[in-house]
Amino acid sequence: IAGITQAPTSQILAAGRRMTLRCTQDMRHNAMYWYRQDLGLGLRLIHYSNTAGTTGKGEVPDGYSVSRANTDDFPLTLASAVPSQTSVYFCASSMDYRNTQYFGPGTRLTVL
Amino acid sequence: GIQVEQSPPDLILQEGANSTLRCNFSDSVNNLQWFHQNPWGQLINLFYIPSGTKQNGRLSATTVATERYSLLYISSSQTTDSGVYFCAVGPQGAQKLVFGQGTRLTINP
Repeated sequence: IAGITQAPTSQILAAGRRMTLRCTQDMRHNAMYWYRQDLGLGLRLIHYSNTAGTTGKGEVPDGYSVSRANTDDFPLTLASAVPSQTSVYFCASSMDYRNTQYFGPGTRLTVL
Repeated sequence: GIQVEQSPPDLILQEGANSTLRCNFSDSVNNLQWFHQNPWGQLINLFYIPSGTKQNGRLSATTVATERYSLLYISSSQTTDSGVYFCAVGPQGAQKLVFGQGTRLTINP
């Protein structure tokens, strides 16, 4: 059982480039989340999805988009990366929003 | 929005000591979870505890929702307990978690 996988593990990206971070879970969870973690700021929710076909905005959605075409996958896209999007990105999932959240290993993204 | 405050921000202890970490929140919640982030960055869920008390080995947690706080107890600390402990709450009516800033725990051998 893999749980939640994220790809890539790390990436260095030039400003202005488009980037998609991948997240896949095999637990058949309905809800999925994207967070960013920055030093001194804890984890902040970017976008979430309570079920396939629906998405919602979190605390810091600007500059990011998501889609939820099926239960297992929840990609996060940066349409035109900026240096302030340098961060560690975590994907998480839960059976529903009131249940235990499980986190992926994270993607370290550096935008130069 | 809801405010989540964790204390202390940093805690340094010797192996074998006990510790209590606190999480205060400013509004009613329908979800509260504790997480441990190890020194390699991995986030592990410790407890889902919107109210009441739970225990798992050397760890236990209590949430008093009416008074808007939760406590995480770690007994007989081990060096592997080091890392950052996060409290995250789900505000009433909101389908998401808001994280506190964390408590950094260092257990020295």
